[in-house]
Amino acid sequence: EAGVVQSPRYKIIEKKQPVAFWCNPISGHNTLYWYLQNLGQGPELLIRYENEEAVDDSQLPKDRFSAERLKGVDSTLKIQPAELGDSAVYLCASSSGLAASTDTQYFGPGTRLTVL
Amino acid sequence: TQLLEQSPQFLSIQEGENLTVYCNSSSVFSSLQWYRQEPGEGPVLLVTVVTGGEVKKLKRLTFQFGDARKDSSLHITAAQPGDTGLYLCAGAPGGSYIPTFGRGTSLIVHP
Repeated sequence: EAGVVQSPRYKIIEKKQPVAFWCNPISGHNTLYWYLQNLGQGPELLIRYENEEAVDDSQLPKDRFSAERLKGVDSTLKIQPAELGDSAVYLCASSSGLAASTDTQYFGPGTRLTVL
Repeated sequence: TQLLEQSPQFLSIQEGENLTVYCNSSSVFSSLQWYRQEPGEGPVLLVTVVTGGEVKKLKRLTFQFGDARKDSSLHITAAQPGDTGLYLCAGAPGGSYIPTFGRGTSLIVHP
């Protein structure tokens, strides 16, 4: 069974440019998460989807970040415009959604963003 | 302020040594999870502890959940170079469904 797929793996852009990350979760997983991970830190939740509905997005900086999961399967996270401080690894994870507090989250390899 | 405090932040040891890393909070968690993350990869779940006082073993790794469900520990016996990685604890406090991660313990095991 394929794991969580993310692309691109690496992205280098100049500040003020837009950037988008794509995530394809494990087949059948209803819950999808986007995390930001800074160097030397643990992942921080940006947004959580149950199917196509964003149920936790309080940590998403909505002035420049947006996300969508239109058909409840794959998802896109966008930053426009990017700032230097956005340089980080963006992780996507999915889970079955059967038991929110103990669900196993399966993580993708992440997209490493560098903003110059 | 981190909801989950992990210690130590860094650990560099020789192969064969034992070690313990800690995950502490002032909040009660319905469950805590431990992950290991290798460079360039996403975290991989090692174990979920649910019951206060619970002990789970995974080969040379022993996980314990505190009686009050506010803390957890991970003990590795006879560490091997393959244990090298970032160990993260995570959980959703109280009735929240928002998962929170600690900053992690970066472990290096030298051959």
